[in-house]
Amino acid sequence: DSGVTQTPKHLITATGQRVTLRCSPRSGDLSVYWYQQSLDQGLQFLIQYYNGEERAKGNILERFSAQQFPDLHSELNLSSLELGDSALYFCASSVASGEVYEQYFGPGTRLTVT
Amino acid sequence: AQSVTQPDIHITVSEGASLELRCNYSYGATPYLFWYVQSPGQGLQLLLKYFSGDTLVQGIKGFEAEFKRSQSSFNLRKPSVHWSDAAEYFCAVVPTSGTYKYIFGTGTRLKVLA
Repeated sequence: DSGVTQTPKHLITATGQRVTLRCSPRSGDLSVYWYQQSLDQGLQFLIQYYNGEERAKGNILERFSAQQFPDLHSELNLSSLELGDSALYFCASSVASGEVYEQYFGPGTRLTVT
Repeated sequence: AQSVTQPDIHITVSEGASLELRCNYSYGATPYLFWYVQSPGQGLQLLLKYFSGDTLVQGIKGFEAEFKRSQSSFNLRKPSVHWSDAAEYFCAVVPTSGTYKYIFGTGTRLKVLA
């Protein structure tokens, strides 16, 4: 158990809908990262937040957004969903930012868009 | 562009046999290097990391990896594989400057024969 929690574990929704994925980092970790894992794209970095502020962006679509709240949990919002958005979404956390720190991964949320 | 290559998509070994999983990176300077393991239905777990110093790195679960600068490689090894090692293994690199984003390889799926 990494100490990172993600809810829900599974999510099935229809095209065009909007969903919110939630992540709670390890106790004491200030940085949260979101990743998308799909069969064709592999594990792709989406976005990083540090202590409530966006710190780095990766291959995140404009239809996707994220935020980190004062209690440090983070939410990833996916809107206007398409079939191709079906994937495993991982959250990871690390103690800080600005250098390389080990990232601890949550169990993931499996999103299925039908 | 920075990239990570794991040339073997699938590897099958017999229990008790030795294992080597390959990882090559393309980057101007020596990046930070990681190996993660993902068991079915689980998130990624850090096996080991290389930042600097001794090029032979010991990790958890009996794994080790050797950094070879001349070959831009960071291969993962285990002398005797156990059935519980069946999983997917990801190599990751992090550039030593900039936003310290993780770049993951496409993964190698390990099957262990009893």
